[in-house]
Amino acid sequence: QVQLVESGGGVVQPGRSLRLSCAASGFTFSTYGMHWVRQAPGKGLEWVAVISYDGSNKYYVDSVKGRFTISRDDSKNTLYMQMNSLRAEDTAVYYCAKDRDGYISYYFDYWGQGALVTVSS
Amino acid sequence: DIQMTQSPSSVSASVGDRVTITCRASQGISSWLAWYQQKPGKAPKLLIYAASSLQSGVPSRFSGSGSGTDFTLTISSLQPEDFATYYCQQANNFPPTFGGGTKVEIK
Repeated sequence: QVQLVESGGGVVQPGRSLRLSCAASGFTFSTYGMHWVRQAPGKGLEWVAVISYDGSNKYYVDSVKGRFTISRDDSKNTLYMQMNSLRAEDTAVYYCAKDRDGYISYYFDYWGQGALVTVSS
Repeated sequence: DIQMTQSPSSVSASVGDRVTITCRASQGISSWLAWYQQKPGKAPKLLIYAASSLQSGVPSRFSGSGSGTDFTLTISSLQPEDFATYYCQQANNFPPTFGGGTKVEIK
């Protein structure tokens, strides 16, 4: 069955960097767009970024544009999020999520368990 | 960005009750709407996509309707495992945005 497992979360000081990983299994990773969605403690859901199935298209929410970079390694069935210049407002649980369709539909049919990123001095 | 407004923000209901949650988009989104269920400490789960299409494996007591700006999620007979927070999400305009959530609590 489909499994998404995030890793790389932790506590980081403002202005520093962190890289999240999401290991995928149970489906043909290279044929699906993949997303990152975050949830601040006690708050709602916020979509963060998407990468197309072939890595040729990447889109970001304005608040992370220029600071976060989404990427994928299809040989390792792994999705990444490089997060630079982190701010306190980036504190959240970060979920990787699979797009429901082969193109980018922005429907998220499978989610990982989440990785907590805490930005604090 | 499109704003998604859910109501109510919370509802108290009993097992067996019919529960309806509404979601309103700040502009028309055709039928590009999804509903998710989230339990405490867990990831969201896709229930409905394209406003009314039931995701595989989701019980048929869940249904969605609507188009344009107004949408509803209905749970026909609430079960103990349905107590959770529900989110709507629009997929029509970039960036995709979520509603603020509706918490379904035990009466």
